[in-house]
Amino acid sequence: GAVVSQHPSRVICKSGTSVKIECRSLDFQATTMFWYRQFPKQSLMLMATSNEGSKATYEQGVEKDKFLINHASLTLSTLTVTSAHPEDSSFYICSARSRAQEQFFGPGTRLTVL
Amino acid sequence: LAKTTQPISMDSYEGQEVNITCSHNNIATNDYITWYQQFPSQGPRFIIQGYKTKVTNEVASLFIPADRKSSTLSLPRVSLSDTAVYYCLVAGSGNTGKLIFGQGTTLQVKP
Repeated sequence: GAVVSQHPSRVICKSGTSVKIECRSLDFQATTMFWYRQFPKQSLMLMATSNEGSKATYEQGVEKDKFLINHASLTLSTLTVTSAHPEDSSFYICSARSRAQEQFFGPGTRLTVL
Repeated sequence: LAKTTQPISMDSYEGQEVNITCSHNNIATNDYITWYQQFPSQGPRFIIQGYKTKVTNEVASLFIPADRKSSTLSLPRVSLSDTAVYYCLVAGSGNTGKLIFGQGTTLQVKP
């Protein structure tokens, strides 16, 4: 299947700093990318949907000013966690949807905020 | 978006066939059914997708009855490495394609 990468795979930061996570579709163009968050022992929770060249659509309860999403090209979307706090510590997963409507997930990024 | 219901957990032994059933009573006409597998600290991995009847690939089979209100993922001869969480999702290709995850089924394969 198609490959979606995330960088970094894990990051540790101090409270109050901002962290950027990259999601790339390596061998296909992604018309839409999605960002999920997963806490331990829980399911994936959809945070937002991003389309190339337009503003992201956030799910209810997700702060758009807290979680900045940029989808500058058909192969790259970034999620920036601004002013991170310990409660933002989680596993962040992106997915990318191809023109053929298939959806592939990245390996995830483990964020730990101290 | 159609909501799905699956058993929270299942146990099996190596070499057995495992069937995980998912209910999706509100599935729409243009919705497809997709199953994903997730290991700890990894992203979900696509297993199989179907619309109706039966679909089979190298790792699993998917059975969908005529009313499409449920589906069953069948894993033949499971091994210890099949221990994972399995998610059933329903989404249409005509909308934004959002995949909303339910709680999933934690499959524990024992030796």
